[in-house]
Amino acid sequence: DAKTTQPTSMDCAEGRAANLPCNHSTISGNEYVYWYRQIHSQGPQYIIHGLKNNETNEMASLIITEDRKSSTLILPHATLRDTAVYYCIVRVAGAGSYQLTFGKGTKLSVIP
Amino acid sequence: GAVVSQHPSWVICKSGTSVKIECRSLDFQATTMFWYRQFPKQSLMLMATSNEGSKATYEQGVEKDKFLINHASLTLSTLTVTSAHPEDSSFYICSASRENSYEQYFGPGTRLTVT
Repeated sequence: DAKTTQPTSMDCAEGRAANLPCNHSTISGNEYVYWYRQIHSQGPQYIIHGLKNNETNEMASLIITEDRKSSTLILPHATLRDTAVYYCIVRVAGAGSYQLTFGKGTKLSVIP
Repeated sequence: GAVVSQHPSWVICKSGTSVKIECRSLDFQATTMFWYRQFPKQSLMLMATSNEGSKATYEQGVEKDKFLINHASLTLSTLTVTSAHPEDSSFYICSASRENSYEQYFGPGTRLTVT
């Protein structure tokens, strides 16, 4: 699976949009971009994933650049409960490719 | 749907003893379960992958005789840390996948402290 690069930490004011970048310049054509987050002392929580089109769900939006070498996770209205470590993971989706490889992630702090 | 539980949520044991951690898929059948370990201020590291009814596949550097994994049913996998030492103190997290699905659903984690 391709390697990802994320900033170590970010701050965001409560109520504002949080934009978390991820670089995955070596991504292959059959690899998806997944985002998980981990609130302190809890298991990771799935947020969203995409292949090449932008995606949106009730939690967040995922914007993938046209060349697919980078993406941005957007939390439209960050709350204090969104304070967590956010992991961007690139992986092949398909039979036998279940493994998730977690990097260091971005520690997002939402500030009142 | 897709809820995964772990028991216990935290455990303290003495050095040299064994401790068992359970991972259950509550509302789906998990053909594959994964066990991760997370040390303080570090990321999750995959320890092993287990398929129901088969032997677990361990990642490089993980001692299979020390970390015993059993996945005897489609809703339960257990991780037994044998002869625990203080350096085994960590946050152990399991995840589960349905058959022919690449989505993983994570449990809440178990904090192990070995004294």
